[in-house]
Amino acid sequence: GAVVSQHPSWVICKSGTSVKIECRSLDFQATTMFWYRQFPKQSLMLMATSNEGSKATYEQGVEKDKFLINHASLTLSTLTVTSAHPEDSSFYICSAAFSGRIGEQYFGPGTRLTVT
Amino acid sequence: GQQVMQIPQYQHVQEGEDFTTYCNSSTTLSNIQWYKQRPGGHPVFLIQLVKSGEVKKQKRLTFQFGEAKKNSSLHITATQTTDVGTYFCAGGYGNNRLAFGKGNQVVVIP
Repeated sequence: GAVVSQHPSWVICKSGTSVKIECRSLDFQATTMFWYRQFPKQSLMLMATSNEGSKATYEQGVEKDKFLINHASLTLSTLTVTSAHPEDSSFYICSAAFSGRIGEQYFGPGTRLTVT
Repeated sequence: GQQVMQIPQYQHVQEGEDFTTYCNSSTTLSNIQWYKQRPGGHPVFLIQLVKSGEVKKQKRLTFQFGEAKKNSSLHITATQTTDVGTYFCAGGYGNNRLAFGKGNQVVVIP
């Protein structure tokens, strides 16, 4: 159980375009989802915390107008990278957690974004 | 800000030997989590420790949470090639967010 999927697994886009990444909890309802960014051989940097039905909480230094997060249901959260630039190229990973069990996060397989 | 430090960052371990990886926080943690990320994969939840001095075992893996709830360790015995990967600790500070360490990349030498 506790499977999280992400779509797409990789995407290449042109500079200036927008990209949407979906994160789904397949077999459980996730009240909270998290979006992370990971650079090669680096740790996971939390970008934002997303709660179903409310606005996401962004970490310091993360532009909320650039990284739009929507958590419309208990099983789906989306991250839209708007007006993407090459420096946005990275590995984006989402995770989902059960209510009251934030520490026990289940990660999706990640999305490799390359902006050309 | 809230951060956890992991040492070492890299380890080369001979198959069959034991190794330990450490996680330290400058402030008291609410809990500590350990994750494993295989090369090319995503982090997989291993365990959560909550209580001061807690020790948990999973087969060859032993997890400890310090008495002061500021440090933790993961000890693996009789290392196997399947133990290769990066082990992350993630500290919970009671604000519903985790602070991940930089990870300990483990290479197993057959």
